[in-house]
Amino acid sequence: RKEVEQDPGPFNVPEGATVAFNCTYSNSASQSFFWYRQDCRKEPKLLMSVYSSGNEDGRFTAQLNRASQYISLLIRDSKLSDSATYLCVVNRQTGGFKTIFGAGTRLFVKA
Amino acid sequence: NAGVTQTPKFQVLKTGQSMTLQCAQDMNHNSMYWYRQDPGMGLRLIYYSASEGTTDKGEVPNGYNVSRLNKREFSLRLESAAPSQTSVYFCASRYTADYGYTFGSGTRLTVV
Repeated sequence: RKEVEQDPGPFNVPEGATVAFNCTYSNSASQSFFWYRQDCRKEPKLLMSVYSSGNEDGRFTAQLNRASQYISLLIRDSKLSDSATYLCVVNRQTGGFKTIFGAGTRLFVKA
Repeated sequence: NAGVTQTPKFQVLKTGQSMTLQCAQDMNHNSMYWYRQDPGMGLRLIYYSASEGTTDKGEVPNGYNVSRLNKREFSLRLESAAPSQTSVYFCASRYTADYGYTFGSGTRLTVV
C-alpha cells in the first residue's frame, strides 16, 4: 500500500460544478500537508497548504482530518482553467524527515 | 521574478553519454532537490541538499551525482546515460519544509 494515495480519476465535470478530491495517508506522524496543481507538460505549482483548522482560498477549500488520516480539496464553481492534475503532498518525521507525493488526481472541466 | 531556473529544457542523449543539468534559484532558499517524473510513477526524489555544503541520496540515486555549488546552484550529473533515465527532471527548492516547493520548468531528457 502506498503511503499517500489519491484517486487517479479522471474526474470529468461541467463548468460551474463543485468537485472534491480526497488524499489518504498511512503514517500518523505526518506533519504538514499541501495541494499542488500540475498542468500538462508543466511543473507542479503550489496551490495551497492545508492547515489543521481548514483553510480557504477563493473557490478552493482544503481540509485535514487527522483522525481518519486524509486531506481533501474542494473546488467550487469549476472553471475550464481548473483542468489539471492535483497532487497531494505530505511531510512526515518518523524514520527521518520525508516528503511524499501522491500520484495525482486528473480533473477535466468541460464547457 | 525568476524563481527556479533549469537548463536545458530538452535534451536527447545517446546511451553512454554524459551530461549535467543545471539549476539555480534566486529566492535564498536553503534546500534544493532533484526529482524525476515518469508516467504512472509520480515524482521520485533523486538527490537533495538540505543546506549549502551538504547533499544526500533520495529514493532513486543510482546513476546520478549532484553538486551544490553554492546556495543558489544545484546541478545533477548523469555520468553514463541509460534508456531507463529517459524522464522529465524537475529541480525544486524551498525555504523550509513548512513552505512547500517551488519547481523549475523541467528538463525533458530522452536517452536513445
